[in-house]
Amino acid sequence: KAGVTQTPRYLIKTRGQQVTLSCSPISGHRSVSWYQQTPGQGLQFLFEYFSETQRNKGNFPGRFSGRQFSNSRSEMNVSTLELGDSALYLCASSQDSYGYTFGSGTRLTVV
Amino acid sequence: GNSVTQMEGPVTLSEEAFLTINCTYTATGYPSLFWYVQYPGEGLQLLLKATKADDKGSNKGFEATYRKETTSFHLEKGSVQVSDSAVYFCALSLSGVNEKLTFGTGTRLTIIP
Repeated sequence: KAGVTQTPRYLIKTRGQQVTLSCSPISGHRSVSWYQQTPGQGLQFLFEYFSETQRNKGNFPGRFSGRQFSNSRSEMNVSTLELGDSALYLCASSQDSYGYTFGSGTRLTVV
Repeated sequence: GNSVTQMEGPVTLSEEAFLTINCTYTATGYPSLFWYVQYPGEGLQLLLKATKADDKGSNKGFEATYRKETTSFHLEKGSVQVSDSAVYFCALSLSGVNEKLTFGTGTRLTIIP
């Protein structure tokens, strides 16, 4: 059974640009969550999608957005990038709240 | 609100030593509790979980017991190996209310031969 796949693994962007990250969940998992990991703030919840609907949202500015497609694949977008957006972005999929499987993450560097 | 407090690191142990990483939580409701492990350059891997009070989660020699009376979920291993070197995160989620995971700050563990 394939795991959670995140693409790309590494990304370098310039301040002010926008970026789109992709996440393909485990087959059959309908919930996809996104987390930001930084050395200073640790792991912070961005948002969660279930059956194409955003079900929960963390405390991030509107520059951070996401969506989920009918095949459960999800994308997150960050517009007007800032240096502080440099982080490891992790995606997790689940069938229920008892088991979250994470991908390897996308490491975004903003220069 | 919900929060997880984890033992500050880093923790350095010799191979075959006993490991305890403390984790306590605050939650409005009855959470499920998790331990995740992160190896360098990787995402998070679920190590073990417990969904109700007195449950014991175990995997790869690691154990943790859900203690409602002390709101704790301490991670233990009887004999650590060099390959256990990683960052360990304690986390909780509230099923049916809030699907997100709330994480502790992580504990970096280094095992020396």
